Amino acid sequence: AQTVTQSQPEMSVQEAETVTLSCTYDTSENNYYLFWYKQPPSRQMILVIRQEAYKQQNATENRFSVNFQKAAKSFSLKISDSQLGDTAMYFCAGEYGNKLVFGAGTILRVKS
Amino acid sequence: GAGVSQTPSNKVTEKGKYVELRCDPISGHTALYWYRQSLGQGPEFLIYFQGTGAADDSGLPNDRFFAVRPEGSVSTLKIQRTERGDSAVYLCASSLVVGGGDNEQFFGPGTRLTVL
Repeated sequence: AQTVTQSQPEMSVQEAETVTLSCTYDTSENNYYLFWYKQPPSRQMILVIRQEAYKQQNATENRFSVNFQKAAKSFSLKISDSQLGDTAMYFCAGEYGNKLVFGAGTILRVKS
Repeated sequence: GAGVSQTPSNKVTEKGKYVELRCDPISGHTALYWYRQSLGQGPEFLIYFQGTGAADDSGLPNDRFFAVRPEGSVSTLKIQRTERGDSAVYLCASSLVVGGGDNEQFFGPGTRLTVL
């Protein structure tokens, strides 16, 4: 079975600083995809960034980047220049068999 | 264009009642997914459709749960004899096609179901 683990229930960061959210996963598949989703209080899940497992280069989307360590099965999210609007729940997810398996989430609070 | 919409936004029902939750996917998206998110947890997969057929319903918890997508667009999740443990946010997502990480799943705002 595929699993996704987020070990940080809550994180805080000062505005304009950098924060890293951790995620580990377990799968026996060779080809898979990993995602970070953001869920603000409105409940709308928004895709932040995706990574294809067979690509060695870490994905980057503006202030968001990942550190993908395939051998260690680790997939962390780095948010640079944190903004108040980044405050939300963040979920790490893996796509296996056309469906998403989510971690338990990390609440991120950006403080002014 | 319009995103994924779900109705109702909130539903309160009594134990033992029947409920239907509706999902309108993005126009042209062939794949549609249902997830359930309990308080303080990540979403859990329930079922997904490719067109009109349920391609994978392995996440449905028991036979009280059923979903349909008769015309390959709108989907309805049906829950019979509701129990208090069914209380959760039910999320719907759609994607252009199935398979591959390039096919981003776009989520709706969810329906919060409360069973009293």
